[in-house]
Amino acid sequence: KNEVEQSPQNLTAQEGEFITINCSYSVGISALHWLQQHPGGGIVSLFMLSSGKKKHGRLIATINIQEKHSSLHITASHPRDSAVYICAVRYSGAGSYQLTFGKGTKLSVIP
Amino acid sequence: NAGVTQTPKFRILKIGQSMTLQCAQDMNHNYMYWYRQDPGMGLKLIYYSVGAGITDKGEVPNGYNVSRSTTEDFPLRLELAAPSQTSVYFCASSRDRVDEQFFGPGTRLTVL
Repeated sequence: KNEVEQSPQNLTAQEGEFITINCSYSVGISALHWLQQHPGGGIVSLFMLSSGKKKHGRLIATINIQEKHSSLHITASHPRDSAVYICAVRYSGAGSYQLTFGKGTKLSVIP
Repeated sequence: NAGVTQTPKFRILKIGQSMTLQCAQDMNHNYMYWYRQDPGMGLKLIYYSVGAGITDKGEVPNGYNVSRSTTEDFPLRLELAAPSQTSVYFCASSRDRVDEQFFGPGTRLTVL
């Protein structure tokens, strides 16, 4: 069964700390997404990547295709970063419309 | 642009009742999706559509139906509500199959 595993499940950090959230998957993919779910429930797309690294502000996403692993880093964390971060992958193959989602990592940043 | 909108935000149903969850997008996206999110679980795809008049089942379609008569709208129908359908439902859209998805605010449904 193709699964997406995230670690840790829960993470508490002090404001200013460097945060890393990990995502691993089992077979070849065509793309990996990182999403943020706010405490109010809304979901926004942060990154979509198929190789290398992307950066947006204090957020950095990397992917290692050979190791089937991706990381989401947050530099200089802030309480407003508190949210659930979700990894999702699109597995390779014709007609692969579906995203397979991880269960999410709940991040709490304490002032 | 409003993006992806969903109504209602909250709803309580009795077992056996029916309802339609509304979803609309104003970005002229061809692809639209319905997901459910259960506590402690990843989002699961219920149905998706690749354009007006074309829909297909996702991972967990049982107990649901969809239609796509226009590019903008993608309603999800629950015919005979069951407690197992208690969940948060998200609608999403994307420009194409491999593009990022834009999510609606969600509908929290409770079936008692």
